[in-house]
Amino acid sequence: QKEVEQDPGPLSVPEGAIVSLNCTYSNSAFQYFMWYRQYSRKGPELLMYTYSSGNKEDGRFTAQVDKSSKYISLFIRDSQPSDSATYLCAMSLTGGGNKLTFGTGTQLKVEL
Amino acid sequence: GAVVSQHPSWVICKSGTSVKIECRSLDFQATTMFWYRQFPKQSLMLMATSNEGSKATYEQGVEKDKFLINHASLTLSTLTVTSAHPEDSSFYICSASGTGGWGTQYFGPGTRLLVL
Repeated sequence: QKEVEQDPGPLSVPEGAIVSLNCTYSNSAFQYFMWYRQYSRKGPELLMYTYSSGNKEDGRFTAQVDKSSKYISLFIRDSQPSDSATYLCAMSLTGGGNKLTFGTGTQLKVEL
Repeated sequence: GAVVSQHPSWVICKSGTSVKIECRSLDFQATTMFWYRQFPKQSLMLMATSNEGSKATYEQGVEKDKFLINHASLTLSTLTVTSAHPEDSSFYICSASGTGGWGTQYFGPGTRLLVL
């Protein structure tokens, strides 16, 4: 069993839809949770960073962490074609500047 | 802010040669740099962690004599793939963290290596 599980997709939605991306994990010691966006043949770009449980909102993006269920989510509102990318969840025991464990990534396509 | 560059962006080499990839933090001092490799449609796999002035810490299964990492300054780390073989063909990505464990990692654009 992988430490972090993420549905690889692909996930296809119409423009304007609300997108829900999820990861589950097995190590209850993870404290820091991140979402990265990666366009094809590019390095990952940090979208959201949260510590412990709770919600965090930034523009069209909302990250949720439920440590009791070992489940994290990223919601994208009013999705745009430019959101088409692979979304990677990542988590760390001791902070985002230390070793990260990544999910496999979910490929998202937002269609016109 | 927090820009990380990599050079070269892509490289093609013959089997048996060595290839050096540079990773630079352009606008901050990177106390820690990380090297990842990524195969098509797969996630990032951490190869090693390096702190400035110290030997790199390699993940299990990564050959330290094959993947040489040097972190000589707070803005530069290099990965040298020695005696490259076709199975080393991959997308190599570095990241840098400037604030210790509490910060975040900023990723470079990646280097695509093709070994013929």
